[in-house]
Amino acid sequence: GENVEQHPSTLSVQEGDSAVIKCTYSDSASNYFPWYKQELGKRPQLIIDIRSNVGEKKDQRIAVTLNKTAKHFSLHITETQPEDSAVYFCAATSGGSYIPTFGRGTSLIVHP
Amino acid sequence: DGGITQSPKYLFRKEGQNVTLSCEQNLNHDAMYWYRQDPGQGLRLIYYSQIVNDFQKGDIAEGYSVSREKKESFPLTVTSAQKNPTAFYLCASSYPGGGQPQHFGDGTRLSIL
Repeated sequence: GENVEQHPSTLSVQEGDSAVIKCTYSDSASNYFPWYKQELGKRPQLIIDIRSNVGEKKDQRIAVTLNKTAKHFSLHITETQPEDSAVYFCAATSGGSYIPTFGRGTSLIVHP
Repeated sequence: DGGITQSPKYLFRKEGQNVTLSCEQNLNHDAMYWYRQDPGQGLRLIYYSQIVNDFQKGDIAEGYSVSREKKESFPLTVTSAQKNPTAFYLCASSYPGGGQPQHFGDGTRLSIL
């Protein structure tokens, strides 16, 4: 089955800095890669996703890049703000299954 | 925002007791899922269902049971066989097929008395 590794487990940045979270996956058939943000005590919410036919996708301060050859994808947050503080999860879904495999999460802390 | 509702928000279980967590969605999604979340463990899949009256075990199904009698509802029972039930439980739903984002409920926090 699919295996997703996510790094780092904790990321601390100053407000205004950029943050990058990386995930690697094992199944070359995976073709859908969503990112979820979970604020403390709340539900995970989709913030951006990318499909295997695209290399990069942007939405304001958030971007995701995908390298299919190396089987890794990354979340980039620019001009971080304190409200970006949360746990971020990556996931990968194989083309043969609709069940996503999640990474273990990254706790992002943005210091004012 | 509505969409997927979990109840109760907090639940306490006595030893030897079965407890049931509710999950209801009005998104017309065919697929529904239950995850267990422990600190540093990410989201681990307990059970999932693609369609009414059908469900499959996930990675950590032991000690849990589910039913899917209605499209809108996917309750999870934590049985007395689950010896370490203390966790945050999340229900999710999605359209069927690969490449679909999941919509999550607000979760239920289960603790042992």
